[in-house]
Amino acid sequence: NAGVTQTPKFQVLKTGQSMTLQCAQDMNHEYMSWYRQDPGMGLRLIHYSVGAGITDQGEVPNGYNVSRSTTEDFPLRLLSAAPSQTSVYFCASSYSRTYSLEKLFFGSGTQLSVL
Amino acid sequence: AQTVTQSQPEMSVQEAETVTLSCTYDTSESDYYLFWYKQPPSRQMILVIRQEAYKQQNATENRFSVNFQKAAKSFSLKISDSQLGDAAMYFCAYFDSSYKLIFGSGTRLLVRP
Repeated sequence: NAGVTQTPKFQVLKTGQSMTLQCAQDMNHEYMSWYRQDPGMGLRLIHYSVGAGITDQGEVPNGYNVSRSTTEDFPLRLLSAAPSQTSVYFCASSYSRTYSLEKLFFGSGTQLSVL
Repeated sequence: AQTVTQSQPEMSVQEAETVTLSCTYDTSESDYYLFWYKQPPSRQMILVIRQEAYKQQNATENRFSVNFQKAAKSFSLKISDSQLGDAAMYFCAYFDSSYKLIFGSGTRLLVRP
């Protein structure tokens, strides 16, 4: 049982490049989500999913795409990286019944720098 | 939109003493969930405590307890017998039927030996 696996741990991009942050969980969690954490700030929700084939926008979705083709995987795509997207990114998953949320399991984070 | 406010950017406590971290939130929902998460320098996010809004009883987990005031939309965290390992960032978070988990900006807790 690996929990939430997030890759890569570090990434440097040039402005305009695209990339995908990978997130996988092996706990059969319905709920998965992506957050970014900027210095001195809390986590802000980018996108989330309540099950395979279902995704929705969070607080700061612009510049990011997600898909949920399987229960296990929830990749985050940066379409055209900008310096404002320099941040630490966290993926998290949870068992979730209707309108409720249990403990979130977090990945170890990705430090992304856009030059 | 729901918001979560942590008005204390930094708090300091003497080892073995008690400290309370504040959190307020804004919502028109009646059913929701509230969380406190701890983030040490390792960057790992650790669940400290979870509260269901329909439960009047305040949640407790060992040395950690909350004071949940639903009418006042307040959810403070009390840490008793503070230990050096409690030093970290603490985040309050809110979740409801929108399925969005919203975090506050965090409180940095310093523990003095």
